[in-house]
Parts: sequence; C-alpha cells; structure tokens
Amino acid sequence: DAGITQSPRYKITETGRQVTLMCHQTWSHSYMFWYRQDLGHGLRLIYYSAAADITDKGEVPDGYVVSRSKTENFPLTLESATRSQTSVYFCASSVPNTGELFFGEGSRLTVL
Amino acid sequence: TQLLEQSPQFLSIQEGENLTVYCNSSSVFSSLQWYRQEPGEGPVLLVTVVTGGEVKKLKRLTFQFGDARKDSSLHITAAQPGDTGLYLCAGGYPRDDKIIFGKGTRLHILP
Repeated sequence: DAGITQSPRYKITETGRQVTLMCHQTWSHSYMFWYRQDLGHGLRLIYYSAAADITDKGEVPDGYVVSRSKTENFPLTLESATRSQTSVYFCASSVPNTGELFFGEGSRLTVL
Repeated sequence: TQLLEQSPQFLSIQEGENLTVYCNSSSVFSSLQWYRQEPGEGPVLLVTVVTGGEVKKLKRLTFQFGDARKDSSLHITAAQPGDTGLYLCAGGYPRDDKIIFGKGTRLHILP
C-alpha cells in the first residue's frame, strides 16, 4: 500500500543500547520529519530533511542521529538510549511549500 | 524560539454544545494546519489556511486564520461524540522549513 510506514511499531530496549527506528514513504515527497510525542509536550520536532542528503536539527535533536541516503527512507537512530527517550515517535512526509504533513502510525519506544 | 500556544488544553462538554479552540503565536505563519489525532494513530490533516482572514468550513468545523497570520481558531458547532479526540495546530514560518506543533487540545464530547 502507498503511504508512510514506520517500523518497529513497538520496541523495548535498555539504557545505553543503540536503537534505529525506520521510516519509509512511497509518495516521493521531498520533505520528511521526525517528531516525538509526550504527555504535556505535544509533538516536538527532532530532525527534518528537505531532500536526500540534506538534514537539519529541529527543537529537540540531542541524542538522536538521522540519515537520508534515499528520498524514500529516513531512519532515526538513538546511539545510546536513555530513559528520557521513552516516547512515541512519529515520522511524517510533506510536499514542499504546503506545510501539510502525512504521518505514519508511530513507533512506541520504551527504554528501561 | 518559535512557539505555538494552544488553548484550552482540555475540554469536556455535552453533545450539542458549541466550542472554540485557539492557536496563537508571536510570529507570523506562512501557513497553518489543523490536525486531529485518534489514540494509537498519527495525526490526520483537517485543513490548511494560508491567507490572513481566511475562513474554511468542514461540515460542522469552522477554521479561521487571523488577519495578521499569527493566530487561528477552530470552532465546532453542535459537537458530537465522534468529535472526541486530540486537536493539534501546526505552523510553518517564512524562510524556514520547520513545522512546529502546539501542545494540542484534548476534546471529550459527552453523550
């Protein structure tokens, strides 16, 4: 099916481990975004990308790494997970100059 | 720092009542979107407003963009239990690719 797919949907890991959340879109949208959603904070932007090989920091980038070697993929890596990174992570894509985001279903990450 | 203030944070009203949710910023938006999110799912776009003073209607939902493009409102007429959910506003700013969200309004419509 066309759209935006996140994996895994659920992940439990331990403090200090590396975790990668995958995001794949089939629309060939140039813009992609990673947000985290926490109670009391709403959706906060972690990183975004305007095109392949172009990435930029959002509001809360510390502790995260992204890459975008292909337009359709935008993985998010937590190099050494901390408990404060327990959250629901959403990937989204967008057509330039519309501001309209299309979201995946989210990845719920628990760091013990 | 670009901030989107959304109010109220929580709203619980009876079916049939009207309500308004607000989204405000000190900065000018290039565009503003309203999303609705159900539990366990990603936000889904309801509407985009671009022009100052613009009003858009989606059935019982009316969206307004402030004349100065710094604020927006969502008005629901005759709320129904199916309107229950988390409503989020998001803004894009001129010369900036970031899209920032407000904290959301959690709406609960009582039957």
